[in-house]
Amino acid sequence: DVKVTQSSRYLVKRTGEKVFLECVQDMDHENMFWYRQDPGLGLRLIYFSYDVKMKEKGDIPEGYSVSREKKERFSLILESASTNQTSMYLCASRRTGPLGTQYFGPGTRLLVL
Amino acid sequence: AQSVTQPDIHITVSEGASLELRCNYSYGATPYLFWYVQSPGQGLQLLLKYFSGDTLVQGIKGFEAEFKRSQSSFNLRKPSVHWSDAAEYFCAVAALGNNNDMRFGAGTRLTVKP
Repeated sequence: DVKVTQSSRYLVKRTGEKVFLECVQDMDHENMFWYRQDPGLGLRLIYFSYDVKMKEKGDIPEGYSVSREKKERFSLILESASTNQTSMYLCASRRTGPLGTQYFGPGTRLLVL
Repeated sequence: AQSVTQPDIHITVSEGASLELRCNYSYGATPYLFWYVQSPGQGLQLLLKYFSGDTLVQGIKGFEAEFKRSQSSFNLRKPSVHWSDAAEYFCAVAALGNNNDMRFGAGTRLTVKP
């Protein structure tokens, strides 16, 4: 059974803190993604990676960075958390190719106080 | 760039009734189209997808969707809704040859009345 796991289901952080969200997939997928989900806005792509050490900006990369040192792991970093980054964060992975299905993790709900 | 509109933010149906969730996309070429479901507290699960061929696509959990190029639509249907179908549903579109650029709609929340 395919699996994408995220390190935390819920996180509470303070403004200005550095926050790490970890995502691990066990399907040997080349592509990994970070989205944020907000009511009425659906999912918006923050960053994606198509290979180890490679990254591409999505639609809303400001205030975020990412790291992919190993194929199975993709980290989202909030360098200095702000209240407007309170959201649900979803990680996903997919094999390269046009017919690949995108698999999602359960999400991390982040509250920044 | 491609985009997706889900006109209905929230829909309520009675258990056993039929369901149709609307999705309209904007894209100049042949799109890849997807429907995902998100149950409370869960990640997104793929219901079905369309790439080419038969425009009526069957998915899991008894769902189907029909691609209508003339209407730029990919509506999701189910003939008889079960209480467990209560969830949020997302339509998504990806560009041919570049499906790293998948765009999601805002979602439709489905409530099922007993």
